[in-house]
Amino acid sequence: GNSVTQMEGPVTLSEEAFLTINCTYTATGYPSLFWYVQYPGEGLQLLLKATKADDKGSNKGFEATYRKETTSFHLEKGSVQVSDSAVYFCALGTGTASKLTFGTGTRLQVTL
Amino acid sequence: DVKVTQSSRYLVKRTGEKVFLECVQDMDHENMFWYRQDPGLGLRLIYFSYDVKMKEKGDIPEGYSVSREKKERFSLILESASTNQTSMYLCASSLQGMYVTEGYTFGSGTRLTVV
Repeated sequence: GNSVTQMEGPVTLSEEAFLTINCTYTATGYPSLFWYVQYPGEGLQLLLKATKADDKGSNKGFEATYRKETTSFHLEKGSVQVSDSAVYFCALGTGTASKLTFGTGTRLQVTL
Repeated sequence: DVKVTQSSRYLVKRTGEKVFLECVQDMDHENMFWYRQDPGLGLRLIYFSYDVKMKEKGDIPEGYSVSREKKERFSLILESASTNQTSMYLCASSLQGMYVTEGYTFGSGTRLTVV
């Protein structure tokens, strides 16, 4: 079956630090990959996506590259801000079912 | 933009009450989902629906039921609320067949406390 593994948090960084949140997956078929962000007290918002191998998704300074050879989709940002403090979820979808599979989420805390 | 609206942001209910959580989407999506989110457990799928009057159990359906009488509305029902159902509840929707490339659109969530 499909599964997503994310690094455990919380991740605590100082403002302007480099961010990496690891995500690896197991999937049947050729999945699409997503990163969602959840700000405090809110629902999830789609941050970026990649639908085929070697695609790079990007948005708001965040990037992630779909690496089929390592089954990974790591989220990166060059310089984080306090406003990036949130929970980040990695997810995948395949053509075999109507449901996305989510990781357990990684909390990011950015301090001044 | 697709909007998914959950009727309440915060709810407080008593043990044993019947609780209705409502979700409405405005973009003609076929698929709708209910998740609960708990610290350390991530998102767990309760039920989903891929068409009017159609429903399918997710990973944790016990103690819940759902209703989808109209395409735009998907209701989650707690038949007899218990304290272990205190949680954040998230509704989501997607186009049939497009969830793979477009993902889901989520509502803002309902934080339910059962006392």
